[in-house]
Amino acid sequence: EAGVAQSPRYKIIEKRQSVAFWCNPISGHATLYWYQQILGQGPKLLIQFQNNGVVDDSQLPKDRFSAERLKGVDSTLKIQPAKLEDSAVYLCASSLIQGNSPLHFGNGTRLTVT
Amino acid sequence: ILNVEQSPQSLHVQEGDSTNFTCSFPSSNFYALHWYRWETAKSPEALFVMTLNGDEKKKGRISATLNTKEGYSYLYIKGSQPEDSATYLCAPTYGGSQGNLIFGKGTKLSVKP
Repeated sequence: EAGVAQSPRYKIIEKRQSVAFWCNPISGHATLYWYQQILGQGPKLLIQFQNNGVVDDSQLPKDRFSAERLKGVDSTLKIQPAKLEDSAVYLCASSLIQGNSPLHFGNGTRLTVT
Repeated sequence: ILNVEQSPQSLHVQEGDSTNFTCSFPSSNFYALHWYRWETAKSPEALFVMTLNGDEKKKGRISATLNTKEGYSYLYIKGSQPEDSATYLCAPTYGGSQGNLIFGKGTKLSVKP
């Protein structure tokens, strides 16, 4: 099966600019996740979708971050405006169902904010 | 804020050595424990998802055990190979938020040939 696709792989922007990341999950996976991994820390959940509905966005900085999964398939994550502390790897993952199913991750987008 | 501790932070072993890592997590309202391997420049890969106290899972030379009452899991690698070099992440989930994996900082393993 095709894996989770993410783009771009790398992005460098200046602070206060905006950026968007795209993710296409494994076909048939209802649950989609966006994680942020800052250097030296474990990945942190930003938002979880079940089909096209939001299950958990409690750790998403909603003043600058937004995410959507309009048709319940692919998803975009946007940052506007970016801050220096947003420099991180942004990982998208999908799973068949939440809970016991393992997550399948994409290769991630490495964002550098200067 | 739930605290997930992984130790050691990093580990350097020789090819053929056996090694083990620890993942400690709050046991209250526990639902499942995930282990992932993350090689440099690749995507994290699922190793195990464990739910039952006393559970033991095995995949090739890698195995894991789970103690849900005291809140810890061990990951063992028998006869380490250079291709085992990676960061190993554990992540528990809890009832009421079963899809929210709380990741530890990981254990970075380097295996020298």
